[in-house]
Amino acid sequence: KNEVEQSPQNLTAQEGEFITINCSYSVGISALHWLQQHPGGGIVSLFMLSSGKKKHGRLIATINIQEKHSSLHITASHPRDSAVYICAVRTGRSQGNLIFGKGTKLSVKP
Amino acid sequence: NAGVTQTPKFRILKIGQSMTLQCTQDMNHNYMYWYRQDPGMGLKLIYYSVGAGITDKGEVPNGYNVSRSTTEDFPLRLELAAPSQTSVYFCASSYWLAGEKYEQYFGPGTRLTVT
Repeated sequence: KNEVEQSPQNLTAQEGEFITINCSYSVGISALHWLQQHPGGGIVSLFMLSSGKKKHGRLIATINIQEKHSSLHITASHPRDSAVYICAVRTGRSQGNLIFGKGTKLSVKP
Repeated sequence: NAGVTQTPKFRILKIGQSMTLQCTQDMNHNYMYWYRQDPGMGLKLIYYSVGAGITDKGEVPNGYNVSRSTTEDFPLRLELAAPSQTSVYFCASSYWLAGEKYEQYFGPGTRLTVT
């Protein structure tokens, strides 16, 4: 069983819809990251969080440490949000490296 | 700042050939990483370095070697390339100090095909 599980694997939405991507993990962590991988392949960091909630523009990330679960929400989705969204965790035992989920491929239709 | 740069962007190797993937960062980060991304799979750590002169194996190190002679550069060497090494390779870097958590910055990736 993977240490980091994401759902759904694929998601198609209409422009304007509210989107939720979920991430569950089975290990103790010091931080959780949400990353975005563009269709061209580049990876950028969206959020790094260890508790509570963070918001940046139309993106909101939440984490529940007790339940070992995080969600990434996109409000008023737009076709430019189409990308693969990756959840990754930094464990206490690691030297700063991340353990990655397989990603959620989001496609937003106009 | 250019951030994390990788060369080449694409490469096709024949089985048994060798090559070096270059990675450079200009953010004075002490930690650097090499990951590979296979279709449908999460990124997996190949090697990492916590500073110049110090490297260690990650989850999938077989068939690869690294060196870290400077803070800026962290090349990944493939010896005797095999089809199983066909993948997209990402270099990343971050700053790590006394347990403080910092973001990782990724290079644009190198798409490698071994035939």
